[in-house]
Amino acid sequence: EAGVAQSPRYKIIEKRQSVAFWCNPISGHATLYWYQQILGQGPKLLIQFQNNGVVDDSQLPKDRFSAERLKGVDSTLKIQPAKLEDSAVYLCASSLGPSIFRSPLHFGNGTRLTVT
Amino acid sequence: TQLLEQSPQFLSIQEGENLTVYCNSSSVFSSLQWYRQEPGEGPVLLVTVVTGGEVKKLKRLTFQFGDARKDSSLHITAAQPGDTGLYLCAGEGGTYKYIFGTGTRLKVLA
Repeated sequence: EAGVAQSPRYKIIEKRQSVAFWCNPISGHATLYWYQQILGQGPKLLIQFQNNGVVDDSQLPKDRFSAERLKGVDSTLKIQPAKLEDSAVYLCASSLGPSIFRSPLHFGNGTRLTVT
Repeated sequence: TQLLEQSPQFLSIQEGENLTVYCNSSSVFSSLQWYRQEPGEGPVLLVTVVTGGEVKKLKRLTFQFGDARKDSSLHITAAQPGDTGLYLCAGEGGTYKYIFGTGTRLKVLA
């Protein structure tokens, strides 16, 4: 099966600019996650979708970050305006369902964002 | 707030040595997983443990889930340069609540 696709792979922007990331999950996967990973640390969940509904966005900085999942398939994550501390890798993951035990996460290769 | 602390944070060893990575929490997890992440890639699942006291082996890797389901360990026997990477534990706590550990960066020198 095709894996989780993310684009772009790299992005360099100046602070206060906006940026968008795109994710195409594995076909048939109902649950989609966006994680932020600071270099060398564990991923931090930003938002979790079940189909096109939000399950958890408690750690999403909603004043600058937004995300949507179109028709329960593809998803975009936007940052506007970006800050220096947003420099990180943004990982998208998908799973068949919300129970990790029954349906493990499959990750994309991420987008590395550098804010200067 | 549930937290998963991993230790050590960094580990650099020679090829052929053994090592153990720990994942600890004060909270109970219904299941726990271990992932390995290589530079420029997303984490890849290694194993899932569910039952307290469970031990799983994957070639030279041995995973154990604590009896109380609050901690886990990963033991690598005769480490090889190909084992180099970031090792992450991740646990399912509350309903559909899934958190990652702080990570252990392993470097195996040839």
